[in-house]
Amino acid sequence: GENVEQHPSTLSVQEGDSAVIKCTYSDSASNYFPWYKQELGKRPQLIIDIRSNVGEKKDQRIAVTLNKTAKHFSLHITETQPEDSAVYFCAASRTKAAGNKLTFGGGTRVLVKP
Amino acid sequence: SAVISQKPSRDICQRGTSLTIQCQVDSQVTMMFWYRQQPGQSLTLIATANQGSEATYESGFVIDKFPISRPNLTFSTLTVSNMSPEDSSIYLCSVEGGGYRSEQYFGPGTRLTVT
Repeated sequence: GENVEQHPSTLSVQEGDSAVIKCTYSDSASNYFPWYKQELGKRPQLIIDIRSNVGEKKDQRIAVTLNKTAKHFSLHITETQPEDSAVYFCAASRTKAAGNKLTFGGGTRVLVKP
Repeated sequence: SAVISQKPSRDICQRGTSLTIQCQVDSQVTMMFWYRQQPGQSLTLIATANQGSEATYESGFVIDKFPISRPNLTFSTLTVSNMSPEDSSIYLCSVEGGGYRSEQYFGPGTRLTVT
């Protein structure tokens, strides 16, 4: 089955700096890669996703890049703010025919210091 | 996105007992999933809840321990049976966005503590 590894496990950045989280996946058939943000005591929230036919996607201060050949994808947060502090999870899944079962990475705890 | 609710939001249960968690969606969805998030850990898929048929369980999870019902396209239940302290976790349901969209959205979760 799919295996997703996520690094780093913790990340501390100064407010205004950028944060980068990297994930690798093992199943070359995976074609959908979402990122979730989970604040303490809250549900995971989908913040951005990318499909295998796209190399990069941006949404305001966040962007995701995908390298299918190397089987890795990354989340980039620019101009970090204290409200970006949370745990971020990457995930991977195959096509809808396979039921779109998400396999999650281990998570990255991001702390943005004011 | 769909509005998803779960009941109960939290519970404290004694070992050996069972708890049924409900997941309600405000619109019809084809795919519903149940995940477990152990304290400080990532999310692990327990099973896919199929409407009108048995759930599909992931490796390490069995129907006797986690029976699932999916009576219609807006509702599902997960039962945690014969609980032990190791079952203390957050249990979350999720649904797909519908159509050809792959996005999954999560319910608020049920925080279970087994003593």
